[in-house]
Amino acid sequence: EPEVTQTPSHQVTQMGQEVILRCVPISNHLYFYWYRQILGQKVEFLVSFYNNEISEKSEIFDDQFSVERPDGSNFTLKIRSTKLEDSAMYFCASSETPGQGNGYTFGSGTRLTVV
Amino acid sequence: SQQGEEDPQALSIQEGENATMNCSYKTSINNLQWYRQNSGRGLVHLILIRSNEREKHSGRLRVTLDTSKKSSSLLITASRAADTASYFCATGPRPGAGGYNKLIFGAGTRLAVHP
Repeated sequence: EPEVTQTPSHQVTQMGQEVILRCVPISNHLYFYWYRQILGQKVEFLVSFYNNEISEKSEIFDDQFSVERPDGSNFTLKIRSTKLEDSAMYFCASSETPGQGNGYTFGSGTRLTVV
Repeated sequence: SQQGEEDPQALSIQEGENATMNCSYKTSINNLQWYRQNSGRGLVHLILIRSNEREKHSGRLRVTLDTSKKSSSLLITASRAADTASYFCATGPRPGAGGYNKLIFGAGTRLAVHP
C-alpha cells in the first residue's frame, strides 16, 4: 500500500533555530498538506499546496512558515525561527483530489520539540 | 461546539461489545471522514462518506451521516483490544464554503477496549 513518508520522526531543536520537516507524498497524488497536533489537542490545518503553489493556509501559517516542493518527490515545511509553542506533531498528507475521493493519506508524523 | 466535535470524549468497553462514537459539525460539507490514531502515531484513514450518502460500511465499521442534523456516527462492531485508539471525525467543506482544501478535525474520542 502506498505510503506518505516523513523524516525525521523526532526532532529536538533550540528556540530560534530553523527546522525543515520533510515529506515524500504518494507519487500520483497532486495535493499536499501540512497539519499539526499540539499534544492533547486537535489536529489543525496549516497549509495546502497544489500545482507548485500554496492553495490555502491557516492563521497559524504565518511568515515563520514556508513550504516547498524542491523536486518531483519531496515536500518540505520550514519553520524559520522556532518558538516553544511550535512544539507539536507535524503531519504531512497527500490526496489525489481535494478531499472528494478516498480521503487523505497521512504520514506518521514528525514530533518537533523546541527547547 | 466547534466544527467536528465528537462525543463521548472517552469510551471504555469490553472486547466483543460495540462502540459508537458521534460527531457533530456546523457548516456545509462535501464529505465527512473518520480517522484513527494510535497513541503518538499517525492518522489512518478509515472511511469517507459523501454528503449525499446516508450510510456506509467497511468491515466492522458502519458510518452514518445525517446532514439535516449535521451529525455522523461511527459504529465499531464486535470490538477488539486492537481497536484501542483515538478516533477523529474530519469534515471536508463544500467549494465556496471556505477552506475547500482543508479538513477540519474534531477533538476525538479515546476508545479503550479491554480484553
